[in-house]
Amino acid sequence: DAKTTQPNSMESNEEEPVHLPCNHSTISGTDYIHWYRQLPSQGPEYVIHGLTSNVNNRMASLAIAEDRKSSTLILHRATLRDAAVYYCILRTNYNNNDMRFGAGTRLTVKP
Amino acid sequence: DTEVTQTPKHLVMGMTNKKSLKCEQHMGHRAMYWYKQKAKKPPELMFVYSYEKLSINESVPSRFSPECPNSSLLNLHLHALQPEDSALYLCASSQDDRGGASNQPQHFGDGTRLSIL
Repeated sequence: DAKTTQPNSMESNEEEPVHLPCNHSTISGTDYIHWYRQLPSQGPEYVIHGLTSNVNNRMASLAIAEDRKSSTLILHRATLRDAAVYYCILRTNYNNNDMRFGAGTRLTVKP
Repeated sequence: DTEVTQTPKHLVMGMTNKKSLKCEQHMGHRAMYWYKQKAKKPPELMFVYSYEKLSINESVPSRFSPECPNSSLLNLHLHALQPEDSALYLCASSQDDRGGASNQPQHFGDGTRLSIL
């Protein structure tokens, strides 16, 4: 499986945008980029996913580089509730339900 | 509240005990998963069921025995566990994405925190 690299931790101020980077230089053409987050004492939660084009939903935006070797999860206005570990995961299409987590980025939001 | 329900939320057991973890979903998902998560680490995939059949077993020791009795239920039977098996056990479900059904998002429960004495 292609690997992802994320910073161990990031800090943000409340009500400011947050850009969480992910590098995936060995991504293949059939790999989707997924983001999940895990709030304290909860199971992981799906955030967003994409293949080539940028994606928006009610939780976040996903910006994918033109060469697809990196992506950025964008939280437009961080709240204290967004403090979590954010995981960037590559999932190959036709992948038989397989999903593996990397180390993730721990996001701290300061009031 | 999550749509995947795990019971119990906490479990303490001795190394000679037999217990079971339960997971239930009513979203019509045909893929179900068990993950193990140690403190400050990411979840690790243990088992995947697709249409009630075991499709992935990540070389998990036989003291962990999964069971999928129907499309809504997933069990993890525990026997003769070791202290290093203490962890958070997470269940998830999704639409099955065999044959390229576009990478269905997984829905997770909040886990069972297991402590082995």
